[in-house]
Amino acid sequence: NAGVTQTPKFQVLKTGQSMTLQCAQDMNHNSMYWYRQDPGMGLRLIYYSASEGTTDKGEVPNGYNVSRLNKREFSLRLESAAPSQTSVYFCASTWAGYGYTFGSGTRLTVV
Amino acid sequence: AQSVTQLGSHVSVSEGALVLLRCNYSSSVPPYLFWYVQYPNQGLQLLLKYTSAATLVKGINGFEAEFKKSETSFHLTKPSAHMSDAAEYFCAVSEVGSGNTPLVFGKGTRLSVIA
Repeated sequence: NAGVTQTPKFQVLKTGQSMTLQCAQDMNHNSMYWYRQDPGMGLRLIYYSASEGTTDKGEVPNGYNVSRLNKREFSLRLESAAPSQTSVYFCASTWAGYGYTFGSGTRLTVV
Repeated sequence: AQSVTQLGSHVSVSEGALVLLRCNYSSSVPPYLFWYVQYPNQGLQLLLKYTSAATLVKGINGFEAEFKKSETSFHLTKPSAHMSDAAEYFCAVSEVGSGNTPLVFGKGTRLSVIA
C-alpha cells in the first residue's frame, strides 16, 4: 500500500546511545518532515526537507540530525540520546501542501 | 509565523450530545486548515481539510468544520457524539501556495464521551 513507512515502531535506548529512525515514502512526494509528539504539546516540528538535497531546522532541532538520502527516504539521527528525547516520532510527506501523509510513528524510550 | 490555538485541552460530552472543538489560527496569508484525529496508541488520521473551496467542509465519521475568515476560526463539530469518538483531536495549519510549508499543529483536545 502506498504511504509513509517508519522503522522501527518501538525502541528503548540507554542514555548516550545513538540510533537512526528511518522513514520512506512511495508517493513521489517532494517534501518530508519529522515531528515529535509529547503529552499536552501537540506535534512539534524537528526538521524538514522541502526537496531532495535540502534540509531545514524546525521548532525543536537540538539533539537531532537528519539526512535526505534520496527523494524517498528521510532519516532522523539521535547521536547521544537523552531522557528528554523520550517521545513518539512521526514522519510525514507532502507533494504540494494539499495533503499530508503520516507514518504510524516510532515510540522511543530513553532510560 | 503561523500558529494554532485549540481552546480546551479536554472536552467531555454525553453520548448523543453536540461535539464542538474549537480552533483558531494565526496566519499572514490564507491558510490550508486540517483536523486530525488520533486514537490511543495509534497514528494520525485526517478528518477533514479546508483548501480554499467551500467554507463548510464535511469529513469522515459525521464531522464537519466551518472556515470563518473574519473570526480566524475553524471549529470542528458533530451533531451527535458516539462513544467511538473518544480520542485526541488536532487542528493544523499550513500556508497556501508554498507547497513545502510544514504543518503547524495545535496542542490537541482530548474528547471524552460519557455514556
